[in-house]
Amino acid sequence: SQTIHQWPATLVQPVGSPLSLECTVEGTSNPNLYWYRQAAGRGLQLLFYSVGIGQISSEVPQNLSASRPQDRQFILSSKKLLLSDSGFYLCACSRAENSPLHFGNGTRLTVT
Amino acid sequence: QKEVEQDPGPLSVPEGAIVSLNCTYSNSAFQYFMWYRQYSRKGPELLMYTYSSGNKEDGRFTAQVDKSSKYISLFIRDSQPSDSATYLCACLYAGGTSYGKLTFGQGTILTVHP
Repeated sequence: SQTIHQWPATLVQPVGSPLSLECTVEGTSNPNLYWYRQAAGRGLQLLFYSVGIGQISSEVPQNLSASRPQDRQFILSSKKLLLSDSGFYLCACSRAENSPLHFGNGTRLTVT
Repeated sequence: QKEVEQDPGPLSVPEGAIVSLNCTYSNSAFQYFMWYRQYSRKGPELLMYTYSSGNKEDGRFTAQVDKSSKYISLFIRDSQPSDSATYLCACLYAGGTSYGKLTFGQGTILTVHP
């Protein structure tokens, strides 16, 4: 079965600082990978998805970027954080486009 | 109008009650339907995954899909305090440019009292 590792679990960063969140997947090859953000209202917003190495699609234009340097590694980055970037960031993967998503345990980011 | 609507609750029930959680959706292209459970400060955990209209049962959980009404439900029998969590419905269509992207409801907060 698939296992998704995310770190760190909690992060507090000042406004204007850079960000790098990493996600790695075990138990599957060539997965589809996703970054979601969950705000206080509980809804999940899709930020980026990737169907292969180096292939990134953005769903929402914003202060963030994503990269997939290896098959089972997905990175979320920012050059300069904004207060509005605070939230709960979740990495997810699926084996195929009609498969359910499996989520990691997320990173809670607070921008101060 | 959001593509997937879910009553946010909160919903509070006594232990042993039957819980009914519901979502409606507007996109008739959705083919696959999921329910996730999310505990505080954790990622969502897949509970149920269904494709066709009808019922699917797994232990105390039953997922129901009515494509004609665009209505999906999750029933929890004999609810336990450990069922206290946020429940998220999600819909998916395969093919085209979907790339497996899920559309989520807002989530319903459930509390089961001992």
